[in-house]
Amino acid sequence: DAGVIQSPRHEVTEMGQEVTLRCKPISGHDYLFWYRQTMMRGLELLIYFNNNVPIDDSGMPEDRFSAKMPNASFSTLKIQPSEPRDSAVYFCASSLVAFGNIQYFGAGTRLSVL
Amino acid sequence: KNEVEQSPQNLTAQEGEFITINCSYSVGISALHWLQQHPGGGIVSLFMLSSGKKKHGRLIATINIQEKHSSLHITASHPRDSAVYICAVIRSSGGGADGLTFGKGTHLIIQP
Repeated sequence: DAGVIQSPRHEVTEMGQEVTLRCKPISGHDYLFWYRQTMMRGLELLIYFNNNVPIDDSGMPEDRFSAKMPNASFSTLKIQPSEPRDSAVYFCASSLVAFGNIQYFGAGTRLSVL
Repeated sequence: KNEVEQSPQNLTAQEGEFITINCSYSVGISALHWLQQHPGGGIVSLFMLSSGKKKHGRLIATINIQEKHSSLHITASHPRDSAVYICAVIRSSGGGADGLTFGKGTHLIIQP
């Protein structure tokens, strides 16, 4: 398996624009996680899915953030409208079990909102 | 006070040295993860443990639930071990987004 695949690797956009980040989990993994990493706050879990269903989105910072998982092999994290404070690295990870197992991380998307 | 504290924040050592990174937490947990983040940004999950000790190659992770403390050890350290090591705990009340807490990380540099 190619591992968790995220796209794009880098995204530069202007404030107010919509941003869509994409993730393809490892085949067979039932859990998918979206994380955000900033210098100030470190790593934070935003939301996670089980079998394509969002289980806990309490980490999503605002209504401007939304995440979907239309099928087992694809998820998106959308920010609309984007703001400079959303600049961060966004990671997607997948695993067989929610939190009691090793998670496999994608390479991340570095987002810069100007 | 942060619920998860790592020490040291920064560590520089010579190749071959035995390395210890510590993680202390103040909440009840069901499990603890150690992550490694390479200079390029990629994250690798090293261990998930809820008791005792685990070993993988030159890496050893231990946890003492009573003392609310975990350590990550690297034997015969090598420059390729240079990375940020992050501790994450899953609260025993549940591992949802608000139940997963990360430490700030330990920046490790191994010099040749």
